[in-house]
Order: sequence, then C-alpha cells, then structure tokens
Amino acid sequence: DIQMTQSPSSLSASVGDRVAITCRASQSISTFLNWYQQKPGKAPKLLIFGASRLESGVPSRFSGSGSGTDFTLTISNLQREDFATYYCQQSSITPPFTFGQGTKLEIK
Amino acid sequence: QVQLVESGGGVVQPGTPLRLSCAASGFTFSSYGMHWVRQAPGKGLEWVSIMRSDGSNEYYADSVKGRFTVSRQNSKNTLYLQMNSLRVEDTAVYYCAKEKHPHSTAFFGLDVWGQGTTVTVSS
Repeated sequence: DIQMTQSPSSLSASVGDRVAITCRASQSISTFLNWYQQKPGKAPKLLIFGASRLESGVPSRFSGSGSGTDFTLTISNLQREDFATYYCQQSSITPPFTFGQGTKLEIK
Repeated sequence: QVQLVESGGGVVQPGTPLRLSCAASGFTFSSYGMHWVRQAPGKGLEWVSIMRSDGSNEYYADSVKGRFTVSRQNSKNTLYLQMNSLRVEDTAVYYCAKEKHPHSTAFFGLDVWGQGTTVTVSS
C-alpha cells in the first residue's frame, strides 16, 4: 500500500502570509494527488486535483505542485477563512486511496 | 443542485450490523465512482471503500476488509455500506463522496461530499 506523509502536522501563520504544506508518497504516484480543506464539523472540500489543477470556485491563492513522490500545497496571502486542516490524498490506479495525516493551519 | 445525503448512522453495540445509505441527486449517479471515507473523533480522514460507476469493482481499506460491503443501486441513485462485526474502533463520522470525473479508472479528486452520518460503537 502507498503511504502518504504530510508535514508539518501543524502550522501557525498570520493573515497575509504565504505557507507551504508538503506531502510525500512512499512510491511514485505520478500526479494522482489531491488536496482538501476541512473546517471543524464540516465535510472536506476539494481544492486541488491532479497535483496542480485548481478546483472550480477555489481562490487562485491556492496552488499545488509536484509529481512522482513529492508534492506541495502553497497558500499565498493567507485569509482568515483559510485557517483549517488540510489533507492530501493519493488517487493512483491502486487502492487504498490513502490520505495524509493532515496539517492544521492556525492563526498566529 | 448536486447533493449527497447520508443516513443510517446510530449507536450500536460491538458486533451489531448496520447499513448506511447515501442518496444522490443532481447528477447522473450511474456515471460516477463513489467512495466512503470516515473520520474518527478528533482524528484525520480515513479512506474506507470505493465502488466503480457500473458496480463492476469494489475495494476496501484493510481495516474493514471482510467486514464491510459496499454496493449501489443505480436505479435508486443510492450507495450503501453494509457494516458487519462492528468494533469500537469503527466509531466515526462516515462520509460518502463522488469522484470528480465520470467513468474514470483513476480518479481526480472527490468533488462532492455528503454531510456525514455518525456511527458510534459502544458497549
């Protein structure tokens, strides 16, 4: 099974900052990597699919990059509504479609 | 609008069976792979199961394999999760979610999620 390792597990930042969250796969997954945002008590929301493709309606301050085993979610010009928990998920051909353990982004 | 609504959760004793349902609307249900994802209290997301659009293939996380069975009834736009031999560690909010693209072998994200249904397994 493919393991997904996110870092950091938590992150403090201020409004207007730029932050990066990384996700590493235990083997190559090409660009089959998705990013989600989850707020307390709510279902996850798709932000980025195919490693770098922005989901419709998601602000352009969110961007994704990477291929193979190393991926990054970057949020530029942090807004108050961006403080949430972020998860990566691999979606290559073979299940299980594992999630990373999550990164909690908090206000400094 | 595109919507998924889960139901069937509750408080059950260990070993008791439970069936979750996920009612879909606003899209052509039979064209999309559907997933179950769960989240234990205070924990991260755990992928549970997938059923392909035509019901031809199903896969499970190792933690539920042999105990849970996913199925779908395309005529009723409904996805199911039959959960047998429930354990305390199955306590979680269970979400159903839709793949972003139809008829995909590999999927590019889960773009629509239900609100979740809570399953509590306790003696």
